Amino acid sequence: GQSLEQPSEVTAVEGAIVQINCTYQTSGFYGLSWYQQHDGGAPTFLSYNALDGLEETGRFSSFLSRSDSYGYLLLQELQMKDSASYFCAVRDEWETDSWGKFQFGAGTQVVVTP
Amino acid sequence: DGGITQSPKYLFRKEGQNVTLSCEQNLNHDAMYWYRQDPGQGLRLIYYSQIVNDFQKGDIAEGYSVSREKKESFPLTVTSAQKNPTAFYLCASMRASGELFFGEGSRLTVL
Repeated sequence: GQSLEQPSEVTAVEGAIVQINCTYQTSGFYGLSWYQQHDGGAPTFLSYNALDGLEETGRFSSFLSRSDSYGYLLLQELQMKDSASYFCAVRDEWETDSWGKFQFGAGTQVVVTP
Repeated sequence: DGGITQSPKYLFRKEGQNVTLSCEQNLNHDAMYWYRQDPGQGLRLIYYSQIVNDFQKGDIAEGYSVSREKKESFPLTVTSAQKNPTAFYLCASMRASGELFFGEGSRLTVL
């Protein structure tokens, strides 16, 4: 079956660094994405890794190792506004002419304390 | 500005009624998706569409139906066959780079 595993909750203080791990087992793989969702809101895109390595976007970085079926999201210099749920998602491409579909993990609730 | 518009934002339904959730995008994206989110859980795929007049079932399609008559529109009907329809419904479209854009969601409550 297909599954994505990520921790359910992480708590950290302002200014700290948090790493959210994601391991996946899917029928196909085309890339790993990360999304942020505040309570009651829509998910918003943070990053996308199709190839192995580290992608950096401001305070957020994302890493992928396809051989290990593993990735992580790194949140640096945590701010109160970073309190939210973070989801990893795998884009699996089954057919050559398909845009693919996305499987999401259950999400990690990040709680930032003063 | 381009984006995805979902309506209504809140919807109440009596048991046995069908309801249709609207999703419109002006991003000129080909691929569109419907997800269901239950409290404290991730997103589960209901239906997706690659192009106009074509759509595929996702992981939890039972009790739902969709249409894709226009590129801009991908409405979702929650039928009476869906036994537990109370949830947050999210529509998304995909940029060619692989980024999903989401609407603000529709929250359906069955009375």
